[in-house]
Amino acid sequence: DIQVTQFPSSVSASVGDRVTITCRASLVISGWIAWYQQKPGKPPKLLIYAATTLQSGVPSRFSGSGSGTDYTLTISNLQPEDVATYYCQQPYSFPLTFGGGTKVEIK
Amino acid sequence: QVQLQESGPGLVKPSQTLSLTCTVSGVSISSSGDHWGWVRQPPGKGLEWIGSIYYRGGTFYAPSLKSRVTISLDMSKNQFSLKVNSVTAADTAVYYCARLEGGSGFDYWGQGTLVTVSS
Repeated sequence: DIQVTQFPSSVSASVGDRVTITCRASLVISGWIAWYQQKPGKPPKLLIYAATTLQSGVPSRFSGSGSGTDYTLTISNLQPEDVATYYCQQPYSFPLTFGGGTKVEIK
Repeated sequence: QVQLQESGPGLVKPSQTLSLTCTVSGVSISSSGDHWGWVRQPPGKGLEWIGSIYYRGGTFYAPSLKSRVTISLDMSKNQFSLKVNSVTAADTAVYYCARLEGGSGFDYWGQGTLVTVSS
């Protein structure tokens, strides 16, 4: 089974800052990683898939990068509406696994 | 527009069976090449994949739940279902149904339904 370790568990940044979240898989997943945003009381929303592809309608301040086992979600120019918990997930192989989540707050 | 909606009891007694149904609209689950899955989230905690089913009937389950979980399709109603046997308080969670588009991740989600296990 592929384990996914996500860090940090929380981050506090100012409006306009750049925020970086990292996920590390226990095996090479060849770019097969997805990133989600979840706001309280709502289902997760797919932001990025295949490591770098922005889902339709997602603002361009969100971007993804990485390869092999290490992947990054970057929020450039952090906005108040970006306050949420972010999760990574590997769809590379079953069983599917999620990272533990990163809570993003505004200072 | 693809939409998913969970339904089922919000309260289940310990040792009993949790049963949920996901009704899909906007796409036929029998013609789509996608997987359909269940994800749960205990209160205040992260996301846990429960299992997925392929429209041709193949199923995949989380190892930690495999002995207690069954996911099935009802193509005539465009629905898929989840059963979890022998539930305990640890199964209390918001349960989501979602579409897994190949290797792209879960692109459509239901709104989620809270299931509480309590006597």
